[in-house]
Amino acid sequence: AQTVTQSQPEMSVQEAETVTLSCTYDTSENNYYLFWYKQPPSRQMILVIRQEAYKQQNATENRFSVNFQKAAKSFSLKISDSQLGDTAMYFCAFMIDTGNQFYFGTGTSLTVIP
Amino acid sequence: EAGVAQSPRYKIIEKRQSVAFWCNPISGHATLYWYQQILGQGPKLLIQFQNNGVVDDSQLPKDRFSAERLKGVDSTLKIQPAKLEDSAVYLCASSIDGNTEAFFGQGTRLTVV
Repeated sequence: AQTVTQSQPEMSVQEAETVTLSCTYDTSENNYYLFWYKQPPSRQMILVIRQEAYKQQNATENRFSVNFQKAAKSFSLKISDSQLGDTAMYFCAFMIDTGNQFYFGTGTSLTVIP
Repeated sequence: EAGVAQSPRYKIIEKRQSVAFWCNPISGHATLYWYQQILGQGPKLLIQFQNNGVVDDSQLPKDRFSAERLKGVDSTLKIQPAKLEDSAVYLCASSIDGNTEAFFGQGTRLTVV
């Protein structure tokens, strides 16, 4: 079975500071993809960043970067220079190469404080 | 590029009534997903289509939920009869081929009273 665990239900960070959201997953598969999605109050899930498991280099997208530790099955998201618009629920998601199904964690509610 | 369109945005019904949600995926996307997101939880897959065929509906409560994707484009999810525990946001998503990231609609918030 594939599982995704986000152990931080809520987090807060001061504007312009850096915050790291944690995510662990469990799978016996070797080929898979990992994603971080952001869900603001508008409810629309927006892709923040993705990582292919076969790539050793950590993905980076502007102020967002990941720390992917395949052996530890860990996939954390770092947000640098936090902005008020980053306030949202953040979901870690996982998809195996052959299954095409997304597995989501329970989410972390991030609040950026002015 | 137009995103995933869903309607309605909100729906309030009484228990035992029926309800239908509509989704129009991004043009050219072969894979379409329906997710149920209960307050405070992550999305849970209900059904996944590849074109007009069902790939996975193992978590769809088939005694009350049904979904179709005629012609492999837009899709309808129906609940009949609704229960109180069906209150949730229903998210539709699509991806090009199921091997890439999914793009989500804004969801339909269903309240069953």
